[in-house]
Amino acid sequence: EVQLVESGGGLVKPGGSLRLSCGASGFTFSNAWMSWVRQAPGKGLEWVGRIKSITNGGTTEYAAPVRGRFTISRDDSKNILYLQMISLITEDTAVYYCTTLQTRGYFDQWGQGTLVTVSS
Amino acid sequence: DIQMTQSPSSLSASVGDRVTITCRASQSISNYLNWYQHKPGKAPKLLIYAASSLQSGVPSRFSGSGSGTDFTLTISSLQPEDFATYYCQQSYSASLTFGQGTKVEIK
Repeated sequence: EVQLVESGGGLVKPGGSLRLSCGASGFTFSNAWMSWVRQAPGKGLEWVGRIKSITNGGTTEYAAPVRGRFTISRDDSKNILYLQMISLITEDTAVYYCTTLQTRGYFDQWGQGTLVTVSS
Repeated sequence: DIQMTQSPSSLSASVGDRVTITCRASQSISNYLNWYQHKPGKAPKLLIYAASSLQSGVPSRFSGSGSGTDFTLTISSLQPEDFATYYCQQSYSASLTFGQGTKVEIK
C-alpha cells in the first residue's frame, strides 16, 4: 500500500523559513516523480512544484508564486521528499500535500497534508 | 499559464441525480486533463486521467469526456459519498494548473 506522510508544518513568522518532509513507502520511491500541491484556507488546489526521478535527471519545476523561494529535493536513500521554504509570506499559509506525479502529469497518490501558517 | 475554468462553481443535487461538471481550458490541451475529488480534511483523490481514463478503484458511475479546450465530468447516479468538491487539472504544460473547483452539495 502506498503511503505518503508529510511532516514539518507549523506556525512561522513572515520572512521566516520552514522545511517540510514527506516519507514515502509502498512503492519504488527512487523511480517516482514527486510533487507538492497546496490548498490555502477557503481556496482551491494549487500546484507548487515537482521533481523528476534521478534517472530522469532529477530536475525541478516550480509555480511562479514560489519560484526562487521554495526548493524541492529528494533523498532516495531514505525515501524522503523535501520542500524547503524561505522568505515566507502570509499567502503561503496552506495545507501542503505531497503527491506522486505520473509522467503524463497527474497526481495519483496523495498524503494527508501538513498545515503551514505564516503569521506574525 | 494555461487557465482552467470550471462551471458551475457549486451545485445542489439529490441522491440518484445525474451530475455534469464542465471545465474549459484557455488554450487547446489535447486530452491532458485530469479530475479529482476532494472532501474536507481528506486527501484529494484522482478520479479520471487523460480526459476519459478511469483511475483504478474508482466507481464506474464517474466518467470523463472531451478534448481540446472543453471537458466534462459526469456522475451518472449521485451517491451520498459523492458530495465533495471536484477539480479539473491540466497537464499539457510544464506549469500544472487546476480549475477553481465545483462544490457538489446535497439538495
